[in-house]
Amino acid sequence: ELKVEQNPLFLSMQEGKNYTIYCNYSTTSDRLYWYRQDPGKSLESLFVLLSNGAVKQEGRLMASLDTKARLSTLHITAAVHDLSATYFCAVDNGSEKLVFGKGTKLTVNP
Amino acid sequence: DVKVTQSSRYLVKRTGEKVFLECVQDMDHENMFWYRQDPGLGLRLIYFSYDVKMKEKGDIPEGYSVSREKKERFSLILESASTNQTSMYLCASSLLVALPRHGYTFGSGTRLTVV
Repeated sequence: ELKVEQNPLFLSMQEGKNYTIYCNYSTTSDRLYWYRQDPGKSLESLFVLLSNGAVKQEGRLMASLDTKARLSTLHITAAVHDLSATYFCAVDNGSEKLVFGKGTKLTVNP
Repeated sequence: DVKVTQSSRYLVKRTGEKVFLECVQDMDHENMFWYRQDPGLGLRLIYFSYDVKMKEKGDIPEGYSVSREKKERFSLILESASTNQTSMYLCASSLLVALPRHGYTFGSGTRLTVV
């Protein structure tokens, strides 16, 4: 059974700082997705990572995938308040279904 | 853009009521999913469907059923609502062969409170 673990679950950081969110998963998969959720809203797709070594960047966020280590990272560069949200990673279990991590609630303080 | 529409943003129902949550997508997606989201537990899959009249149980199907009579519509049914079904319910859809490139598209969610 595929399990997906994110850490940290809560992250409070100051504007301008860098940090990384980690997503580990338990069985082989080469398809990983990152989503963002604002309070009271639904999930919005951020990144789709489809192969070992894949790296995607959008603004201050960069996601990477290491399928051998079963690890994806979401790196935040020079955080700004607008990045405050909950971030989820999700892994394809091989049968058209995604298994989600519990989410990382990010708060960026002035 | 694909649009996934959930009929209600907020619902308050009484214990024992039969509750219907509706989800409609407008891009001819084969796959549709119902999740519930609870603090500290993340998203948990309730039911999913790969085609019309087809349904499969997810990780937490107890107390729920689903209906997919048309390709664009996937309904979640709480046969007899209980307070432990108070939650945020999220519907999602995806193309059968395009999951790798696009993942899921989510609806805006329905926050259900059972009193």
